[in-house]
Amino acid sequence: DAGITQSPRHKVTETGTPVTLRCHQTENHRYMYWYRQDPGHGLRLIHYSYGVKDTDKGEVSDGYSVSRSKTEDFLLTLESATSSQTSVYFCAISESGGGETQYFGPGTRLLVL
Amino acid sequence: GENVEQHPSTLSVQEGDSAVIKCTYSDSASNYFPWYKQELGKGPQLIIDIRSNVGEKKDQRIAVTLNKTAKHFSLHITETQPEDSAVYFCAADAGGTSYGKLTFGQGTILTVHP
Repeated sequence: DAGITQSPRHKVTETGTPVTLRCHQTENHRYMYWYRQDPGHGLRLIHYSYGVKDTDKGEVSDGYSVSRSKTEDFLLTLESATSSQTSVYFCAISESGGGETQYFGPGTRLLVL
Repeated sequence: GENVEQHPSTLSVQEGDSAVIKCTYSDSASNYFPWYKQELGKGPQLIIDIRSNVGEKKDQRIAVTLNKTAKHFSLHITETQPEDSAVYFCAADAGGTSYGKLTFGQGTILTVHP
């Protein structure tokens, strides 16, 4: 893994609870992405960031928010977790965005009861 | 938006055989097509990629072909080995000033039997 850590690695929470997942990189890459992975859907982009405080929505952004106050950290927040947000969440980083390799973190497995 | 279809969903081969996975995409503006391998419990890892100005790219036992006219691209693995067993994903970027947004296929579970 290219200097990417995700925390926590596993989490169980209850419906209606706020949850924050953290992605931390040591590569000083400008672009960061949050994906969710569900059976039969591959990976789907939730939100992405193209610089500090610069973020935008992806394909499945409803119910999620993000923040990036430092180059190295990209936070994903589920304001009020629902069972449909049970998934495996992956963070990815890229040095220069379009047409460049995205490196993925180890993932966070989230279960919403 | 972009739509990427991947087939087959599962593929079982004998060690030494070849494996082919195919993907189609919908957005003619897409110009970057990576392939990822994901082992159990790990994040996806890039194995090969191709850009729209190239029709074929090879790296040892792995090759990718791209047909922009037909909007499809394929992964070819020759002389498969048990350690090739994993889930493989194709992806296509959004093209233009896309910030690297990728749309992934649904994945192919490849099993290589010794």
